Amino acid sequence: QITLKESGPTLVKPTQTLTLTCTFSGFSSTTDGVGVGWIRQPPGKALEWLGISYWNGDMRYNPSLNSRLTLTKDTSKNQVVLTLTNMEYVDTATYYCVHRGLGLPFQYWGQGTLVTVSS
Amino acid sequence: EIVLTQSPGTLSLSPGERATLSCRASQSVSHNFLAWYQQKPGQAPRLLIYGASSRATGTPDRFSGSGSGTDFTLTISRLEPEDFAVYYCHQYGGSPLTFGGGTQVEIK
Repeated sequence: QITLKESGPTLVKPTQTLTLTCTFSGFSSTTDGVGVGWIRQPPGKALEWLGISYWNGDMRYNPSLNSRLTLTKDTSKNQVVLTLTNMEYVDTATYYCVHRGLGLPFQYWGQGTLVTVSS
Repeated sequence: EIVLTQSPGTLSLSPGERATLSCRASQSVSHNFLAWYQQKPGQAPRLLIYGASSRATGTPDRFSGSGSGTDFTLTISRLEPEDFAVYYCHQYGGSPLTFGGGTQVEIK
């Protein structure tokens, strides 16, 4: 059974760096084709893909984030960590950790964690 | 970047009626890697359809996907009470991965 869970702060101040951890189970992040990614959703708005860490070490990011995003993978801990710098009010959103298999979309999602940017 | 435009923004229907949701891409979606998700309030999205027309595990057969290239459709043959939700299309064939703006299916 594949599960993913997000953890981290619920409140950050403008200009601060957000660090969220995705801890997963039920699969190996080194299995061919597997990707663990992040998607966010501002309150009442649509989904936005942020980035993904692939089984082979490849990382892909949404260019809209202007190089603010870094993903790191810890295979031994079954974790993928999101780091988003220079947080702004518009970054307030529910952040989801997601899994995709080879040639497939995101089938498994974490429960999501709401991060609010406020001074 | 492939922009996905969903229409209509809101669909007001009664249980038992047929729902037709549209997703139009700004350029052809590679391999027809187009998925549909259902999202209910306070929940993570749930995958319904992938590869434009394949049902994900557990998706009822009243949900069907069709289309290719730039025009895709999600059809719900007969709306059940639990189908009233927001639906998103998503292309995963090219980077950056993108989502549509969503269609809300509400009870008339």
